[in-house]
Amino acid sequence: LAKTTQPISMDSYEGQEVNITCSHNNIATNDYITWYQQFPSQGPRFIIQGYKTKVTNEVASLFIPADRKSSTLSLPRVSLSDTAVYYCLGGGATNKLIFGTGTLLAVQP
Amino acid sequence: SQTIHQWPATLVQPVGSPLSLECTVEGTSNPNLYWYRQAAGRGLQLLFYSVGIGQISSEVPQNLSASRPQDRQFILSSKKLLLSDSGFYLCAWSPRTSGVSYNEQFFGPGTRLTVL
Repeated sequence: LAKTTQPISMDSYEGQEVNITCSHNNIATNDYITWYQQFPSQGPRFIIQGYKTKVTNEVASLFIPADRKSSTLSLPRVSLSDTAVYYCLGGGATNKLIFGTGTLLAVQP
Repeated sequence: SQTIHQWPATLVQPVGSPLSLECTVEGTSNPNLYWYRQAAGRGLQLLFYSVGIGQISSEVPQNLSASRPQDRQFILSSKKLLLSDSGFYLCAWSPRTSGVSYNEQFFGPGTRLTVL
């Protein structure tokens, strides 16, 4: 299972694009990169997952370079409700996920 | 659609008392099931996971245990609670997959446990 490193916290303002970068230097060949969002007193919620290049859904985009040693979660035009902890994970075929402390994103008006 | 239930939502227990937290999943079969614990201000710690009835893998040595008596039921137990067992307990499920590393897990609402 890949060990991931991401910033402890980030600040942003409403309407801005936010990019959260995660490093995973020892990512395994069969590991996907997955991002979760967690609000206080709730369980994490899956946001997006990718293996290589770019993945986009209705919530976010995920950029993974060719060497796969890092990834960037991009949240377009954040709002106050995007204030949450964001986790970057690399997982294996057993579906065991290792959550770190994540990145606390604080969006201000 | 699939839903996951956990109960109770909150629990206050004295040190040394037993614990039983229950999790059930609806709308799917043969799920992988997980128990996590989150201490205040910390990330999630994987405690147990199960790939089938009676099959439990423990990730962290502690005074907790887990059981899976039915396909969609996962129980977390303790014979004697410690102060350090306080935290937010989350149950999660994921679909059974083979080959592809698919990491989408679906979490329940959680149980807030306070040990006094």
